[in-house]
Amino acid sequence: GAGVSQSPSNKVTEKGKDVELRCDPISGHTALYWYRQSLGQGLEFLIYFQGNSAPDKSGLPSDRFSAERTGGSVSTLTIQRTQQEDSAVYLCASSLEGSGAYEQYFGPGTRLTVT
Amino acid sequence: AQSVTQPDIHITVSEGASLELRCNYSYGATPYLFWYVQSPGQGLQLLLKYFSGDTLVQGIKGFEAEFKRSQSSFNLRKPSVHWSDAAEYFCAVGTYNNNDMRFGAGTRLTVKP
Repeated sequence: GAGVSQSPSNKVTEKGKDVELRCDPISGHTALYWYRQSLGQGLEFLIYFQGNSAPDKSGLPSDRFSAERTGGSVSTLTIQRTQQEDSAVYLCASSLEGSGAYEQYFGPGTRLTVT
Repeated sequence: AQSVTQPDIHITVSEGASLELRCNYSYGATPYLFWYVQSPGQGLQLLLKYFSGDTLVQGIKGFEAEFKRSQSSFNLRKPSVHWSDAAEYFCAVGTYNNNDMRFGAGTRLTVKP
């Protein structure tokens, strides 16, 4: 079946602009995660959605970052007033349920470059 | 909260040689442990996972890992490396009642012909 998809695959934007990154999780997966992978770094947890519960936003680095998940499926990560330090690969993952016991399936990522 | 350390940033091995990638975790209870691989231009793929039971777990592509509670380790091994194994490897730790899975910084594997 279809895996997790993300769009766009690459995004180049000017400093100060807003960007939206999209994630389509695997159908039927109730949990959705966003991570950021900076050059030479591990994966940094950003935000987590589980069903209709309030999202866990504890990993968002600043109030310029926000995310929503519509209808329990597609998610959009928005970065406002982008800064050069936002340049990274943004990965989305989904899992059947939301505890740390379940395998996460990752999308290919969106590479964001802020010039 | 749990944490993961991968002490080796970059490892180079010859094709056909054995491989061991180190992973140490910090967590007060029994963790759920994972190894993921990220090939160039690809998303992360699960290699194997440990939840309970037999401490030696087998994964895909001929990889295995051993959970050692006394050493807080979950090292990944492969007896004979193939050129296609060149990739970035991430160890991760999750818990049942915690949403975020913590990943290590990764180990980049280079395979020499």
